[in-house]
Amino acid sequence: DAGITQSPRHKVTETGTPVTLRCHQTENHRYMYWYRQDPGHGLRLIHYSYGVKDTDKGEVSDGYSVSRSKTEDFLLTLESATSSQTSVYFCAISDPSGGPNTGELFFGEGSRLTVL
Amino acid sequence: DQQVKQNSPSLSVQEGRISILNCDYTNSMFDYFLWYKKYPAEGPTFLISISSIKDKNEDGRFTVFLNKSAKHLSLHIVPSQPGDSAVYFCAASDERSGYALNFGKGTSLLVTP
Repeated sequence: DAGITQSPRHKVTETGTPVTLRCHQTENHRYMYWYRQDPGHGLRLIHYSYGVKDTDKGEVSDGYSVSRSKTEDFLLTLESATSSQTSVYFCAISDPSGGPNTGELFFGEGSRLTVL
Repeated sequence: DQQVKQNSPSLSVQEGRISILNCDYTNSMFDYFLWYKKYPAEGPTFLISISSIKDKNEDGRFTVFLNKSAKHLSLHIVPSQPGDSAVYFCAASDERSGYALNFGKGTSLLVTP
């Protein structure tokens, strides 16, 4: 299994509060991603990173910010959580330059966030 | 607009028979197509992929077919087993967006004994 750890795994918070989810990897992979999964929507890309301090927006980036100060950590922040951000969040990693490229991303176990 | 589409939300198949899951895409720039399997409360796990320059890839009971002219791919599972019951996501890789995967909405497969 790819060494990906997400924390917290479960969180309940109130509307308007800030929330930070952490993704930690031990694989030294260059690329890291944050997705959210919602019923009827599959997985949708929030933000991704292609190196330390290098990030870009995905399909559903509004209301989210990210930071990557070290190769191994990718943080997702909700500055002011809303009920529409209740979701399961998945972190993923990849390293296309590390060997034969199959397009594969390795996913973490997910973080379930509930915003009341 | 969703670039990867799975139009069947669910599929039920008898054990031992073939399961066929379908996927359509709109972006001809995708370079890899992948299938992921997901159980509840777990992260998606990679199943099989195919390069855009190929039309078939096989791995044990799983075969993926790619029809570029129709922008269509399918996953065949033969024979289907009860342990295959899960949600299957079709995904496509776009090098221009950091190799991020675009996912379909998923198909829930139920294999009955």
